[in-house]
Amino acid sequence: NAGVTQTPKFQVLKTGQSMTLQCAQDMNHEYMSWYRQDPGMGLRLIHYSVGAGITDQGEVPNGYNVSRSTTEDFPLRLLSAAPSQTSVYFCASTPHGGRETQYFGPGTRLLVL
Amino acid sequence: GQNIDQPTEMTATEGAIVQINCTYQTSGFNGLFWYQQHAGEAPTFLSYNVLDGLEEKGRFSSFLSRSKGYSYLLLKELQMKDSASYLCAVRDPGDSNYQLIWGAGTKLIIKP
Repeated sequence: NAGVTQTPKFQVLKTGQSMTLQCAQDMNHEYMSWYRQDPGMGLRLIHYSVGAGITDQGEVPNGYNVSRSTTEDFPLRLLSAAPSQTSVYFCASTPHGGRETQYFGPGTRLLVL
Repeated sequence: GQNIDQPTEMTATEGAIVQINCTYQTSGFNGLFWYQQHAGEAPTFLSYNVLDGLEEKGRFSSFLSRSKGYSYLLLKELQMKDSASYLCAVRDPGDSNYQLIWGAGTKLIIKP
């Protein structure tokens, strides 16, 4: 199993550009989420999904869209990039039930100029 | 409001013991997690507590007191590879029953 994969690993954008951060998992986990991690702050939840076709907003959803057409994929779209979106983005998946440990992807470092 | 507090940074010596504290104030509680995160990498799961008491797993132990809103992570026989950030997270049932609220993390520096 590859676990949780994310692409790209690093991206530089100009203000106003759009892009999609890719996330995929091969563990058949129902629950997936996107976080951003900024220095001095805890991980903040952007959007999450409890299953294919179902998404919901987290703590900081503005400026981001998500979709969940399959169990495996959960892309995050930046609609019009802003310098405030410079951050490290982590995708995570969680099996339904049990201790519900979150499994994280390797992260995407995004710099918006 | 929702709040999780951890020390920002701690320093310890190789071979010693260190305790990293976490206090939390959340509207609900359904478990507390500790994750380890090496610089430039993703967080990885260390431990989970939902009942009061101590959970031991090799060199690492985690303690929970729900009445005090308090947890600690105890690392024994410290090794240089233990230099990392340690993240405390609380699961709050909230609207989805899966949301985690994260502390900012404690950066642990191990000196020879």
